[in-house]
Amino acid sequence: KAGVTQTPRYLIKTRGQQVTLSCSPISGHRSVSWYQQTPGQGLQFLFEYFSETQRNKGNFPGRFSGRQFSNSRSEMNVSTLELGDSALYLCASSEFDRNYGYTFGSGTRLTVV
Amino acid sequence: QKEVEQNSGPLSVPEGAIASLNCTYSDRGSQSFFWYRQYSGKSPELIMFIYSNGDKEDGRFTAQLNKASQYVSLLIRDSQPSDSATYLCAVNRIIKTSYDKVIFGPGTSLSVIP
Repeated sequence: KAGVTQTPRYLIKTRGQQVTLSCSPISGHRSVSWYQQTPGQGLQFLFEYFSETQRNKGNFPGRFSGRQFSNSRSEMNVSTLELGDSALYLCASSEFDRNYGYTFGSGTRLTVV
Repeated sequence: QKEVEQNSGPLSVPEGAIASLNCTYSDRGSQSFFWYRQYSGKSPELIMFIYSNGDKEDGRFTAQLNKASQYVSLLIRDSQPSDSATYLCAVNRIIKTSYDKVIFGPGTSLSVIP
């Protein structure tokens, strides 16, 4: 099976711009979760989608949003970028029963200048 | 109190020794527990999960869970330099009947010295 695919791998944006990140989960996995990873805060949960519905959301401002398509691919959008949004954004794929753990994508490294 | 806590390290052990990584969690309703390994510049990789009190062994790795003490640990026997990485503890919290949320600890950096 192909792994979790995230695009792009690297992005450089300026403050105030918006950005869209993409994630294709493992075939057959219907749950996609997004995490932000920074050296100071570690892995912080953004949101989780299952069958095109957001099931769970972390404590991030409304500038962070996402969606999931019928083929389980997911996108994450950040509007009005701030310097503090610079981070590694990780997508995690899992089968319905998440007790078996995640498979992570390689991540998108976002730098806001 | 943070929901999931780990010793930040760095933890240094000589090659061939046992590395012991610890994690505590605050929510007694947590059901399942995971250990992920993350090499520098890479994404986390699942290495172990455990649901029940006691020990679970997989090769050189042993996960230990004590729900009464809200404590989970990872032992790495015969540590190798290739085990040098950051180890993330993750806990599955029940939010509602139909779904839950995974919370990660800050990670412990392990260095195995040849």
